[in-house]
Amino acid sequence: ETGVTQTPRHLVMGMTNKKSLKCEQHLGHNAMYWYKQSAKKPLELMFVYNFKEQTENNSVPSRFSPECPNSSHLFLHLHTLQPEDSALYLCASSQDWTGNTDTQYFGPGTRLTVL
Amino acid sequence: QKEVEQNSGPLSVPEGAIASLNCTYSDRGSQSFFWYRQYSGKSPELIMSIYSNGDKEDGRFTAQLNKASQYVSLLIRDSQPSDSATYLCAVRNFNKFYFGSGTKLNVKP
Repeated sequence: ETGVTQTPRHLVMGMTNKKSLKCEQHLGHNAMYWYKQSAKKPLELMFVYNFKEQTENNSVPSRFSPECPNSSHLFLHLHTLQPEDSALYLCASSQDWTGNTDTQYFGPGTRLTVL
Repeated sequence: QKEVEQNSGPLSVPEGAIASLNCTYSDRGSQSFFWYRQYSGKSPELIMSIYSNGDKEDGRFTAQLNKASQYVSLLIRDSQPSDSATYLCAVRNFNKFYFGSGTKLNVKP
C-alpha cells in the first residue's frame, strides 16, 4: 500500500459540493488509473493516463474530471455528483500502459459517500 | 454477457485443503490474466499473473490458463484462514482491462 497513496481515505459530500481525490505513486511508474468499485459489481476502469496523457476514458460522466500534472500524481475532481456515485474509488499505477503484460498496483482507496 | 465471469461464492474449504477458484472470459484476444486478492475494506493486491497456456506456480498458489477454453483458474494449496478474502480475476487485451466480480473464499479453521 505504501507505493501508492490516496487521500482522503473517506469523503462525505453533498450533491452540490465540489471535491477532489488525490493519488500519488512512489514507484517510478509512468501509467496511472482511476477505478470505481461499487458493492456487488466488478471493478470499473474509469480513466487511464500514460506518461501524463489521457489514453482511455471509459464513458465516464463529465461530473468526474481527471487531472494528471505529472507521472507521480493523479487527481479526480468531483462536482454535482449523484447518490449512485457512492463507491470506493481506487487509484492504481503500472510501469506503462502500452505493455500488454503490465501489472497494476493499487492504492488503499477513497470511500466516497454522496448524500 | 459479462467480459469476465466468476462464481460469487462463498466457497468454503477447511484449513489445509486445496481451494480452486475459476474464471471464464469472453474476449478471445485477451493476452494477460491476473488474480488479485482483496480483503474486506482493503484494496486489491496482485497474487499471480499468467500469459501463456499451462500452469504457473508460486509458493502455495498455482494459476492455470487455457486460452482455447477461455478459462483461467487459481489453486491455493494448504489453505489457511488468512487466505479468506475475495479473489478477483482480471483479463487484459491491450487497452481493454476487465475485472470479474470476485469469488469470496472462506477457509475454516
